[in-house]
Amino acid sequence: GNSVTQMEGPVTLSEEAFLTINCTYTATGYPSLFWYVQYPGEGLQLLLKATKADDKGSNKGFEATYRKETTSFHLEKGSVQVSDSAVYFCALRTGGYNKLIFGAGTRLAVHP
Amino acid sequence: GAVVSQHPSRVICKSGTSVKIECRSLDFQATTMFWYRQFPKKSLMLMATSNEGSKATYEQGVEKDKFLINHASLTLSTLTVTSAHPEDSSFYICSATGGDEQYFGPGTRLTVT
Repeated sequence: GNSVTQMEGPVTLSEEAFLTINCTYTATGYPSLFWYVQYPGEGLQLLLKATKADDKGSNKGFEATYRKETTSFHLEKGSVQVSDSAVYFCALRTGGYNKLIFGAGTRLAVHP
Repeated sequence: GAVVSQHPSRVICKSGTSVKIECRSLDFQATTMFWYRQFPKKSLMLMATSNEGSKATYEQGVEKDKFLINHASLTLSTLTVTSAHPEDSSFYICSATGGDEQYFGPGTRLTVT
């Protein structure tokens, strides 16, 4: 079946450090891939997405590239800020059906 | 961007009572809404898919008689937790489909005492 695997957190970084959160997936067909962010006490917000192989999604300094050969969609940011502290969810969606399948989430804590 | 609201944001109820949670798409019509449950430090678990004017489709293991879903209009879906018990305490999140995107509500924290 379809599934998403994320690196376990928490990830703790100092401000301005480089961030990578790994995400791999298993899916039939050609899924669309997403990163969502959840700030404390809030719902999920779409951070970025990619709909086909080799696409790069980017937003707010975050990037992720859809790698079909490694079935990965790793999230990166060159210089994190304290305000990036949140939980990050990788997700996939297959076909025309809107059902999202989420990874377990990775908590990021950025310290000054 | 599209906005989805949930009401209430927090609710405390006594064991055995029922509680209703509303999910509204504020500036778009949503033919499909989803209800998720999120356990502490865990991912979102899809509970059901709600289509306007038809019965909800529940995921395996979710009790349809306990979690009643009504999608009466293109902008409103409700989740009623019936005969709530402490183990139903959780963070409930809805989402609504607008075009190709899924927009999430801010969530409802349910505490059953």
